[in-house]
Amino acid sequence: QVQLQQSGPGLVKPSQTLSLTCAISGDSVSSNSGVWNWIRQSPSRGLEWLGRTYYRSKWHNNYAVSVKSRITINPDTSKNQFSLQLNSVTPEDTAVYYCASGSRATDTVFDYWGQGTLVTVSS
Amino acid sequence: QSVLTQPPSVSAAPGQKVTISCSGSSSNIGNNYVSWYQQLPGTAPKVLIYDNNKRPSGIPDRFSGSKSGTSATLGITGLQTGDEADYYCGTWHSSLNAVVFGGGTKLTVL
Repeated sequence: QVQLQQSGPGLVKPSQTLSLTCAISGDSVSSNSGVWNWIRQSPSRGLEWLGRTYYRSKWHNNYAVSVKSRITINPDTSKNQFSLQLNSVTPEDTAVYYCASGSRATDTVFDYWGQGTLVTVSS
Repeated sequence: QSVLTQPPSVSAAPGQKVTISCSGSSSNIGNNYVSWYQQLPGTAPKVLIYDNNKRPSGIPDRFSGSKSGTSATLGITGLQTGDEADYYCGTWHSSLNAVVFGGGTKLTVL
């Protein structure tokens, strides 16, 4: 059973960088079947997939067009976790952020979710 | 505005059946598998259906999924008050190279 534990600040100032980490237990971030995602949810934008990282002989990343210029998702194999960095945040980035993963043949199924982190962008 | 279109709300009485639709295009639903998620208040979404019509272990057979062309449907039979939640569809969007979700449907069990 995979468990995902999120950590990171709940308050970020405008123009600064939002940073969250998702620690994995029950699987390896570098497994050849796991896919590691960040998703956010707000009343105005609903559920919004932000991006993912996964290892298939080499590391791959995909990012949503809406945040592509500002986002980085990195695996950390030494700590078995992955992180989200979102630069130049604005109040529009206020949302509950989730890490989520799956390891099915269809790699867009999110079987496991972190507990969610409410991130507020405010001065 | 979400890429996938769901009705904002549906309702039915306990014991009855309800269906929730999810409409897309050939770039998403038409050529990719659909998943459905249930989100109870204050919790993370939980997968109910994947690959259009498959249920993960532990999901009762009251929940079913189907797909036809560029639309998908979630069915729930034998409604219970505990089924009151928000339901989301999701799939891959081939031209955006991204996962897309519906706007969500709030189910009320009257």
